[in-house]
Amino acid sequence: AQSVSQHNHHVILSEAASLELGCNYSYGGTVNLFWYVQYPGQHLQLLLKYFSGDPLVKGIKGFEAEFIKSKFSFNLRKPSVQWSDTAEYFCAVVNQGGKLIFGQGTELSVKP
Amino acid sequence: DGGITQSPKYLFRKEGQNVTLSCEQNLNHDAMYWYRQDPGQGLRLIYYSQIVNDFQKGDIAEGYSVSREKKESFPLTVTSAQKNPTAFYLCASNSGDVRNYGYTFGSGTRLTVV
Repeated sequence: AQSVSQHNHHVILSEAASLELGCNYSYGGTVNLFWYVQYPGQHLQLLLKYFSGDPLVKGIKGFEAEFIKSKFSFNLRKPSVQWSDTAEYFCAVVNQGGKLIFGQGTELSVKP
Repeated sequence: DGGITQSPKYLFRKEGQNVTLSCEQNLNHDAMYWYRQDPGQGLRLIYYSQIVNDFQKGDIAEGYSVSREKKESFPLTVTSAQKNPTAFYLCASNSGDVRNYGYTFGSGTRLTVV
């Protein structure tokens, strides 16, 4: 069965620090990958997605992710985080049945 | 505005009682999903429905039941058979093109068993 693994459960950064959240998936075929964000008290929102083409994907709020097929990875990055980026981040992959499979989530806390 | 409405936002239940969580969407989406979110475990799929009057079990369906009598509505019942029902429940939907659009999520219902 396909799975998604997020290695960092809780990341604490100071404002202006750079961010990289890890995401690895198990499926070896054609992949569709997503990053979602859940701000405190809000619903999950789509940050960015990879469908095909350029492996470097840019999303909202300055986030980007790079799809590296050889490493089965889709890490999320941001050069300089802000306090407002404090949230929980979820990586997800579309499985063979057409459903989204989510990772365990990474809680990001940004100190002002 | 189109979206998914989950109600109530907070729900308290006594042990041994069934409780139903509401999920309504006005996006004209065919597929709807229920997830359970627990700290450190991500989102786990409870049930999903790809068309009216049809639904399938997800990974953790035991102790839950659903119905899909209308396209817009996909209520989830947490039964007394669910051993650890305290959690955050999320409803989602999509148009059928998951690869391009992913899911749209509701704002969730936090269920607490007292």
